[in-house]
Amino acid sequence: TQLLEQSPQFLSIQEGENLTVYCNSSSVFSSLQWYRQEPGEGPVLLVTVVTGGEVKKLKRLTFQFGDARKDSSLHITAAQPGDTGLYLCAGAQGTGKLIFGQGTTLQVKP
Amino acid sequence: GAVVSQHPSRVICKSGTSVKIECRSLDFQATTMFWYRQFPKQSLMLMATSNEGSKATYEQGVEKDKFLINHASLTLSTLTVTSAHPEDSSFYICSAWDYFTDTQYFGPGTRLTVL
Repeated sequence: TQLLEQSPQFLSIQEGENLTVYCNSSSVFSSLQWYRQEPGEGPVLLVTVVTGGEVKKLKRLTFQFGDARKDSSLHITAAQPGDTGLYLCAGAQGTGKLIFGQGTTLQVKP
Repeated sequence: GAVVSQHPSRVICKSGTSVKIECRSLDFQATTMFWYRQFPKQSLMLMATSNEGSKATYEQGVEKDKFLINHASLTLSTLTVTSAHPEDSSFYICSAWDYFTDTQYFGPGTRLTVL
């Protein structure tokens, strides 16, 4: 069974703090996607990383894909209450099917 | 990003009835769509892969006779929860796969409550 281990699963921090979410697997992925989901809504794609070692930035969010394309991280700088939500990583293997991590519930307190 | 719609967004039904949920890909033709189930504060659990013009592929442990999937066109897949029971209450989400970008675009979800 292919697994994508995501950690931490819950994170509660103060506004202005930095945080990092990790996704690790023993499987190689053709790409890895990060989603953010608000309660009662579907996941919204934040970024897709494709190349080993790739780093992508989206304002205060930095996404990195491991050199071997087995792991990824999401770093948020100076978190804000608007960043609160469920963050999901998902690995793709070119078949359309995604392997999802367990999700990270982030709460940023004002 | 591409738009995927789901209808209805919320449905309440009595135990024993059947409920149909529609998933539409509005921006591109999707030969493959996926159906997920999600419990509160948890990740998405893949139920089945819906392939246009062929039978759906169900994940282990998902009852195919209970969760009927039809993918009759390149833009529409439907999930029918048959003889629904309270334990089927959940948040159901569909996605459409864009082959060219290898990206799944998700619908807004359907909240099913079975009384």
